[in-house]
Amino acid sequence: DQQVKQNSPSLSVQEGRISILNCDYTNSMFDYFLWYKKYPAEGPTFLISISSIKDKNEDGRFTVFLNKSAKHLSLHIVPSQPGDSAVYFCAASLRGLVNSGAGSYQLTFGKGTKLSVIP
Amino acid sequence: DGGITQSPKYLFRKEGQNVTLSCEQNLNHDAMYWYRQDPGQGLRLIYYSQIVNDFQKGDIAEGYSVSREKKESFPLTVTSAQKNPTAFYLCASRRTTSGKPDTQYFGPGTRLTVL
Repeated sequence: DQQVKQNSPSLSVQEGRISILNCDYTNSMFDYFLWYKKYPAEGPTFLISISSIKDKNEDGRFTVFLNKSAKHLSLHIVPSQPGDSAVYFCAASLRGLVNSGAGSYQLTFGKGTKLSVIP
Repeated sequence: DGGITQSPKYLFRKEGQNVTLSCEQNLNHDAMYWYRQDPGQGLRLIYYSQIVNDFQKGDIAEGYSVSREKKESFPLTVTSAQKNPTAFYLCASRRTTSGKPDTQYFGPGTRLTVL
């Protein structure tokens, strides 16, 4: 049973426009979320993260929004650039359980969304 | 400069042979992880280690083995018992002290092809 879902396998966006990548989760215990970017035949690189106590985190062109009631998060890239073309993975962590001694910092990943930014 | 190295980048083996994938980090991270990625799939956790001389099975540990004799090194052995070993293997490490303890940092990966 997939606990972290990225329902769009691919997304195409024109250069300069906004890219919106979506992620849904089913485990309400998840309380920390991360986005990774991955080029073919390379390891993922950390992009941005958000704690469940926030609903928005921004870093340059990248903004992550979290809607806890809907168990949904999204990554916005504005403006999109051709170099942003990659696979984006959403991941979730159980930080609260770790702090209570009941868990570990394992990440649960979605299957990824391939973003293509068209020049 | 610090980072995670995986070698080799590409590895070919005959069916039935064991093969060991290397993962080294000089980030002074305590925790290390092995993942497998298949086409169209997310990252699936094979094994992880929070501290030297200790490791835990992940979601798909069958057919794999690991060791953690040194903080810097976490080699993964793909045994002949692994039914579908051809995949892209990723190693990651994580700082367990202050900052963002959840964030894992990945190596460049090893593409294993079993012929």
